[in-house]
Amino acid sequence: KAGVTQTPRYLIKTRGQQVTLSCSPISGHRSVSWYQQTPGQGLQFLFEYFSETQRNKGNFPGRFSGRQFSNSRSEMNVSTLELGDSALYLCASKDISSYEQYFGPGTRLTVT
Amino acid sequence: GENVEQHPSTLSVQEGDSAVIKCTYSDSASNYFPWYKQELGKGPQLIIDIRSNVGEKKDQRIAVTLNKTAKHFSLHITETQPEDSAVYFCAARGYSGAGSYQLTFGKGTKLSVIP
Repeated sequence: KAGVTQTPRYLIKTRGQQVTLSCSPISGHRSVSWYQQTPGQGLQFLFEYFSETQRNKGNFPGRFSGRQFSNSRSEMNVSTLELGDSALYLCASKDISSYEQYFGPGTRLTVT
Repeated sequence: GENVEQHPSTLSVQEGDSAVIKCTYSDSASNYFPWYKQELGKGPQLIIDIRSNVGEKKDQRIAVTLNKTAKHFSLHITETQPEDSAVYFCAARGYSGAGSYQLTFGKGTKLSVIP
């Protein structure tokens, strides 16, 4: 099976802009979670989607949003970008009947 | 919510020696504890996991132990090789409210295996 894929792999944006990141889960996985990874805060949970519904949300401001499509692909959006949003954004998918979560390679976002 | 502490933050070992990384968690209801390995420029890779009803699990040179009473779990890597050099993360699956669960991660351990 193909693994989790994320596009784009790298992005450079300017403060105030918005950005959309995409994630395609492993075939058959219907749960998709997003994480932000920074050197200072480590891996922090953003949100989880299952069957096009947000099931769970971490402690991030409303500028961070996401959605999931009927084919389980997911997108996350960050509006009004701030310098502190520079991070590696990771997507992870899992089969709903299992606990094992598998990560994609991430999207490296740099905000200047 | 769940809080996971991981130690040490950096670890250097000679090739062939063993490496041990330890984590503690705060929520006694947490029931699943995975370990991930992250190499430079890649996403975290699941290398081993353990559920709360099991005390120990092994997979070749890697083992994980869980002490539910003390709320800590450890990763053991034996006969380390240079390719084991990476950042390792522990995590705990805990209840986050409204019928939902999420993984909370430790801050990571950078393991360097010296040839």
